[in-house]
Amino acid sequence: GAGVSQTPSNKVTEKGKYVELRCDPISGHTALYWYRQSLGQGPEFLIYFQGTGAADDSGLPNDRFFAVRPEGSVSTLKIQRTERGDSAVYLCASSLNRRETQYFGPGTRLLVL
Amino acid sequence: AQSVTQLDSQVPVFEEAPVELRCNYSSSVSVYLFWYVQYPNQGLQLLLKYLSGSTLVKGINGFEAEFNKSQTSFHLRKPSVHISDTAEYFCAVSPSGGANNLFFGTGTRLTVIP
Repeated sequence: GAGVSQTPSNKVTEKGKYVELRCDPISGHTALYWYRQSLGQGPEFLIYFQGTGAADDSGLPNDRFFAVRPEGSVSTLKIQRTERGDSAVYLCASSLNRRETQYFGPGTRLLVL
Repeated sequence: AQSVTQLDSQVPVFEEAPVELRCNYSSSVSVYLFWYVQYPNQGLQLLLKYLSGSTLVKGINGFEAEFNKSQTSFHLRKPSVHISDTAEYFCAVSPSGGANNLFFGTGTRLTVIP
């Protein structure tokens, strides 16, 4: 079946702009996670959704970052007033429920100029 | 809080030789342990995981790992590597009593030399 998909695969923006990154989880997966992977680092947890609600957003670095999952499926990560330090690969993962294996998407590579 | 240390950032090894990728973790609570692999231009893929039970875990592609609670380690091993094993390998932990948020190490780049 289809895996986790993320769009766009690459995004180049200018400092100060607003960006949206989309994640389509595996159908039926109730848990959805966002991670950020900076160059030379492992993925870093950002936020976890169980259904439509953000069950844990402790990894969001500041209030410029926000994520939604209004219908319990697709999720959008939103970054306001982007900074050069936001440049990274943003990974999305989903799992059947919070105890099951996470399946990762290919990521969105964000470059802030 | 949880943290993961992968001491070796790069490991070169000849084809058909054995390999061990080291992983140590720190946690104030009990954890689940994972190894993920990231092939070039691909997403993270689960190799194996330890939740409970036998401390020796077998995964895909001939990899295995052993959980050692006293040494807080979860080293990954393969007796004979192939060119296709060239990739980035990440060790990760998650608290066993909560959501499945993963905490990753910085990764080990395995390069298999023909």
